[in-house]
Amino acid sequence: RKEVEQDPGPFNVPEGATVAFNCTYSNSASQSFFWYRQDCRKEPKLLMSVYSSGNEDGRFTAQLNRASQYISLLIRDSKLSDSATYLCVVSGGSSGGYQKVTFGIGTKLQVIP
Amino acid sequence: ETGVTQTPRHLVMGMTNKKSLKCEQHLGHNAMYWYKQSAKKPLELMFVYNFKEQTENNSVPSRFSPECPNSSHLFLHLHTLQPEDSALYLCASSPLTNRQQQFFGPGTRLTVL
Repeated sequence: RKEVEQDPGPFNVPEGATVAFNCTYSNSASQSFFWYRQDCRKEPKLLMSVYSSGNEDGRFTAQLNRASQYISLLIRDSKLSDSATYLCVVSGGSSGGYQKVTFGIGTKLQVIP
Repeated sequence: ETGVTQTPRHLVMGMTNKKSLKCEQHLGHNAMYWYKQSAKKPLELMFVYNFKEQTENNSVPSRFSPECPNSSHLFLHLHTLQPEDSALYLCASSPLTNRQQQFFGPGTRLTVL
């Protein structure tokens, strides 16, 4: 089983729609979770952290389900500018004495006019 | 504007060439990373440097040789590459104690002929 799994998509949604992505992780000892966004032909950028109680940032809501070992990202009222690849990032365990950080393959979102 | 710069942005090289990729971060971070991003694959961590000391080498072939002269600069020396090494090479930096929040450079798109 992959350490971090995501559906690569693409998810094609109309403007204004609500869309949700899930990401599953295999290491139950994972401690921190994040969503990064990567625009086409650009570098990944941190979008938001994912807290145990869930958190919201404008139209974006992130949730963590430790029992089922997945995190989710919900985007409401999709905009054309939301079109990008969303990378799930999981941190935990040890690598070289420091926390190990693992990136998922990313889920591609295309918002259609 | 990103605090992590990379040069060159694009590179085409033959299998017998020797070239170097350069990364510089202006964020005061003490950890720097090289990643490889190929189509339809997750980000692959190649090397990690903490305080300019290499702490991780994820089974990267010796035709890739990193160098970190100080905490702000990171190089990736390339020689006798293969066509399958064609990819986007991303540099990132982070605080030592917060490796989950990485700041990426724009990447070098490498094509090996």
